[in-house]
Amino acid sequence: AQSVAQPEDQVNVAEGNPLTVKCTYSVSGNPYLFWYVQYPNRGLQFLLKYITGDNLVKGSYGFEAEFNKSQTSFHLKKPSALVSDSALYFCAVSRDYKLSFGAGTTVTVRA
Amino acid sequence: GAVVSQHPSWVICKSGTSVKIECRSLDFQATTMFWYRQFPKQSLMLMATSNEGSKATYEQGVEKDKFLINHASLTLSTLTVTSAHPEDSSFYICSAAPIGPSASYTQYFGPGTRLTVL
Repeated sequence: AQSVAQPEDQVNVAEGNPLTVKCTYSVSGNPYLFWYVQYPNRGLQFLLKYITGDNLVKGSYGFEAEFNKSQTSFHLKKPSALVSDSALYFCAVSRDYKLSFGAGTTVTVRA
Repeated sequence: GAVVSQHPSWVICKSGTSVKIECRSLDFQATTMFWYRQFPKQSLMLMATSNEGSKATYEQGVEKDKFLINHASLTLSTLTVTSAHPEDSSFYICSAAPIGPSASYTQYFGPGTRLTVL
């Protein structure tokens, strides 16, 4: 079965500091991994994906993620967080075009 | 690009009535659309996969007669909650996967529909 885990329910950082949101995966075969962000009462916005190729994936709004096969991780990172990055972040894995989501991590960036 | 809309954004209805939610891909064609349900402070739960011109595929535990899905065109899918009850109150989100071999791995999500059944 395909699954992802987000070990942290919440992440709190100060504006300007680096932001990391953790995700580990469990898949058979090659993983197709995604990050989405959700603002209150809104749908999900696509940030980035890893299908194949470079392990460092750059996405929207200055976010990037590093695919690490040996650690089965796909952590989301931003070098300098903004207050506007405060939201709910979901890691997801795709199989047969269906997405399985992690539980989500609430990010709070304080001014 | 890759914009998905949903209508209505919120709806309040009486118990026993039916509610239809529309999901449209505005600037791309989507062979496949998905319907999710999200409870407060929880993750998304896939309800069904909708393919244009064919019957939807429902996930285990989702009542197909309760949640009717129609995917009449490459840009429109609808979800009808029939005989809605208070326990059907939730946030319903659709997504669409663009046509194409690599593009279709990415799903683009609508803004969601908040359903409240009184």
